[in-house]
Amino acid sequence: NAGVTQTPKFRVLKTGQSMTLLCAQDMNHEYMYWYRQDPGMGLRLIHYSVGEGTTAKGEVPDGYNVSRLKKQNFLLGLESAAPSQTSVYFCASRPLLEDATNEKLFFGSGTQLSVL
Amino acid sequence: GESVGLHLPTLSVQEGDNSIINCAYSNSASDYFIWYKQESGKGPQFIIDIRSNMDKRQGQRVTVLLNKTVKHLSLQIAATQPGDSAVYFCAESLSSRANSKLTFGKGITLSVRP
Repeated sequence: NAGVTQTPKFRVLKTGQSMTLLCAQDMNHEYMYWYRQDPGMGLRLIHYSVGEGTTAKGEVPDGYNVSRLKKQNFLLGLESAAPSQTSVYFCASRPLLEDATNEKLFFGSGTQLSVL
Repeated sequence: GESVGLHLPTLSVQEGDNSIINCAYSNSASDYFIWYKQESGKGPQFIIDIRSNMDKRQGQRVTVLLNKTVKHLSLQIAATQPGDSAVYFCAESLSSRANSKLTFGKGITLSVRP
């Protein structure tokens, strides 16, 4: 049981290039999330998904797109990278609990992205 | 010129002492709270959570206290160890709302002196 796996771990892009970050979870979780973490800013939600085939915008969605074609995978795309997107990106997931007993997120180990 | 980055608040404690990390949350309607620990180069890891119908919850060496009157959450770590050095985040949510999401604080750095 690997939990939440993110690839790649590091990436350097030039301004205007595109790339896709992959998140995979093997816990059969319904909910998946993409966050970015910047110094002194905490975790900010980019996009999230409440199930296969569905996505929604979070707090800072501009410049990013996502897809959830399979329940276990959540992809984050940058169509035209900008230096402002230099950040550490974290994927997270959690199960759907009928009684909403907790909202504990399981996080991946992160992707360090630098846009030059 | 020199650029200055944003620095997280830092709590420095002596190994073996108890640590208290404080968090002020923003939404008086929030009913679920959680603490995460993030070590350098890693993703956040769950520590402990608490619902608003409780004011205290204990785990292994950790205790979370919730004061809804002043919208304050604290994490107490007993007998702090070097391995406790990390950034600690609190988060809140309104879990009764459909598709509720956690809102994270900016984090506090805990530094343990040997």
